Amino acid sequence: RKEVEQDPGPFNVPEGATVAFNCTYSNSASQSFFWYRQDCRKEPKLLMSVYSSGNEDGRFTAQLNRASQYISLLIRDSKLSDSATYLCVVTVSGGYNKLIFGAGTRLAVHP
Amino acid sequence: SQTIHQWPATLVQPVGSPLSLECTVEGTSNPNLYWYRQAAGRGLQLLFYSVGIGQISSEVPQNLSASRPQDRQFILSSKKLLLSDSGFYLCAWKPRDKRGFNEKLFFGSGTQLSVL
Repeated sequence: RKEVEQDPGPFNVPEGATVAFNCTYSNSASQSFFWYRQDCRKEPKLLMSVYSSGNEDGRFTAQLNRASQYISLLIRDSKLSDSATYLCVVTVSGGYNKLIFGAGTRLAVHP
Repeated sequence: SQTIHQWPATLVQPVGSPLSLECTVEGTSNPNLYWYRQAAGRGLQLLFYSVGIGQISSEVPQNLSASRPQDRQFILSSKKLLLSDSGFYLCAWKPRDKRGFNEKLFFGSGTQLSVL
């Protein structure tokens, strides 16, 4: 089983739609959680951290369920510019606190 | 402000040739440094990380090596490239956080390596 699993997509949605991505992780000792965004052939960029209480940043809402080892990202009112790959990232404690990346979920927003 | 520079942006190399990718960070000191590889349609795989000058840890056995000759310089090398070394290579850094879990990574712009 992969340490971090994501639905690869692609998710093809019209502008204005609401879309949700899910991510599961296998290590119950995972400490920190993030969503990164990666455009084609570009470096990943931090979108938002994910907190146990859930957090929102504009049209983006992230949720964490530690009991189910599950993370989600909700995007409301999708824009064309949201088209990208969204990477789920989990930190595993250890000698240096290792970050584990999911393979990403691709989102394509169309007019 | 901190910046990370990675070069070159693209590289085409024949099988068996050597490789040297360089990454430098500005505006910070004692960063943790990382090399990742992303194969087409795959997630990021951690190759090496470094917590200080001359301190390199390897995550997976492979044809590559890394060195950190200066605090803010991280180099990825190979003596003889294989076809399987093709991919998108990303250097990254994060502040050294003694509390342990301020884990936001900042990436360089990446190098697309094609081994032919």
